[in-house]
Amino acid sequence: AQSVTQPDIHITVSEGASLELRCNYSYGATPYLFWYVQSPGQGLQLLLKYFSGDTLVQGIKGFEAEFKRSQSSFNLRKPSVHWSDAAEYFCAVKYANFGNEKLTFGTGTRLTIIP
Amino acid sequence: NAGVTQTPKFRVLKTGQSMTLLCAQDMNHEYMYWYRQDPGMGLRLIHYSVGEGTTAKGEVPDGYNVSRLKKQNFLLGLESAAPSQTSVYFCASSRTSGTGELFFGEGSRLTVL
Repeated sequence: AQSVTQPDIHITVSEGASLELRCNYSYGATPYLFWYVQSPGQGLQLLLKYFSGDTLVQGIKGFEAEFKRSQSSFNLRKPSVHWSDAAEYFCAVKYANFGNEKLTFGTGTRLTIIP
Repeated sequence: NAGVTQTPKFRVLKTGQSMTLLCAQDMNHEYMYWYRQDPGMGLRLIHYSVGEGTTAKGEVPDGYNVSRLKKQNFLLGLESAAPSQTSVYFCASSRTSGTGELFFGEGSRLTVL
């Protein structure tokens, strides 16, 4: 079964520092990979997605992620975080199999920003 | 722009009571989903629909029923609520499967006493 692992439950970063959130997915051909962000009391919003092509993808709010097939990873990065980036971040995977309509989410990483 | 709207946003039930959560989307999306979110467990798929009149089970379907009588609406029902169903429920929709981005509602917080 497809699965996603986010090894870090909670990360604290100083404002202005760089950020990397880890995501590993279970092996499968042609994964579709996503990062979503959830602000407190809100639904999830798509940050970026990877389907094919360039393994470094750019998203909204200055985020980027790199797909590394050899490591089954899709880590999210931002060079300089802002206080407004405090939220919960979810990695998700879907496989390009006919009839597989399901997006599987990781357990999330909560990001705290300190001044 | 309304997007995906969930009602109600908050509800408290007693064990054994029934209720229905309504999800409405105005983007003419084919696919709709119900997830539940619990601390430390991420989002888990309850049921989904690939089009009007269709439904399918997700990862955690027991204790829930769904209906998709109209393309824009996806209803989630609890026939006999249990404390284990205390959770935040999210509805989502997407235009297509595969590469389709999911658009989420703001969630419905359900407490079962």
